[in-house]
This record gives sequence, C-alpha cells and structure tokens, in this order.
Amino acid sequence: QKEVEQDPGPLSVPEGAIVSLNCTYSNSAFQYFMWYRQYSRKGPELLMYTYSSGNKEDGRFTAQVDKSSKYISLFIRDSQPSDSATYLCAIPSYNQGGKLIFGQGTELSVKP
Amino acid sequence: DTEVTQTPKHLVMGMTNKKSLKCEQHMGHRAMYWYKQKAKKPPELMFVYSYEKLSINESVPSRFSPECPNSSLLNLHLHALQPEDSALYLCASSQDRTSANYNEQFFGPGTRLTVL
Repeated sequence: QKEVEQDPGPLSVPEGAIVSLNCTYSNSAFQYFMWYRQYSRKGPELLMYTYSSGNKEDGRFTAQVDKSSKYISLFIRDSQPSDSATYLCAIPSYNQGGKLIFGQGTELSVKP
Repeated sequence: DTEVTQTPKHLVMGMTNKKSLKCEQHMGHRAMYWYKQKAKKPPELMFVYSYEKLSINESVPSRFSPECPNSSLLNLHLHALQPEDSALYLCASSQDRTSANYNEQFFGPGTRLTVL
C-alpha cells in the first residue's frame, strides 16, 4: 500500500463548478498536510497546508483533514479556467528526514 | 525575496557530455533539495542538503553528483546520462527539515533536461 494515494484523474469540470480533490494516507502519525498546485511546465507552488484535523479556508479554496479516516480534501469553489493545473497532496514524513511524500497528482481542467 | 531560481531553463545534452544545473535561493533557508519529475508523475526526491551537508541520497546513480557550495547555492553535476534521465529537474528549499515544525518547501521553475 502506498503511503499517500490520490486519484490521478483527469478531472474536467465546467467553469463555476465546485471541485473536490482527495487523498488518503496510511500513517496515523502524519500531522501536516499540504496541497501543491503545479501548472504545466512549472514548479509546484504551495497552495495550502493544514495541521492535524479540521478545515482551513483561503478565498475559494478549503482544505479539510479527517484524521480518523486518514482522508484529506481540497475544495475549490466557483472554479475558474485559471485553476486548470495538477493538484498534488503532500505530507512531510519526519521519520524520513522531512521528506515530502506526494500523491500521484490530479490533473484538473476547468472549461469556460 | 521568496523565490528559488534555476538555470538553465532548458538543457539538451548528449550521453557523453558533462553539464551542471544550478539553483539559488536568498530566503536564508538551510535545507535544499533536488527532485526529478517525469511527465504526469509527482516529483521524486533525489538529494537533500541540510546546513550544506548531504543528508539524504535516495540511491541516485553516480552519474548525478550534487554539490552545495554555500547556503544559497545548490548544483547538480551531470555526466554520462542516459535518455531515460530526460525529465524536469526541480530544486526546492525550506527553512530547515527539523521534525518540530512543518516545513514548507519552495520550488523553483525547474530545468527541462533532454538527453539524446
């Protein structure tokens, strides 16, 4: 079993839709959870991070962590064509020297 | 300045060439990373430098040789590469990699490498 699993998609939605991106993880010791966005041919940029369980909101983006089911989500409200990118969940593993364990990435396309 | 810069943006090299990739950050970060990313795959960690010392080598072939001349610079020396080494090479930096804190990694734009 992979430590972090993410459906690679691709996911195609119309402009204005609510998008839900999800990852599951296997190690209950993980505490920080990150979402990176990567545009085509660019480096990943950190979108949001959360610590432990709960929600965090930043504009149209909401990150959610459910530690009981080892499930993390990123919601995008009122999606825009400019949101078209690959979204990667990432979890730092401190017993592996702070190594970031990435999900496979979900490719999102928002159609005008 | 919250930027990680990488040069060159693109590099084409033959299997017998020697080349170097460069990465620079001026955020005072003490951890720097090299990743390799193939198309439609997540970044794959290669090396980690912490306080200018190599702390993680993810069993990378010796044809890749990292170097950290100072706390702001990270190089990746390439020699006798194979066509399957063609990929996007990403550099990242973070404040440190201690277990006490979450550790945001800032990524550069990458160098797109093609090996002929």
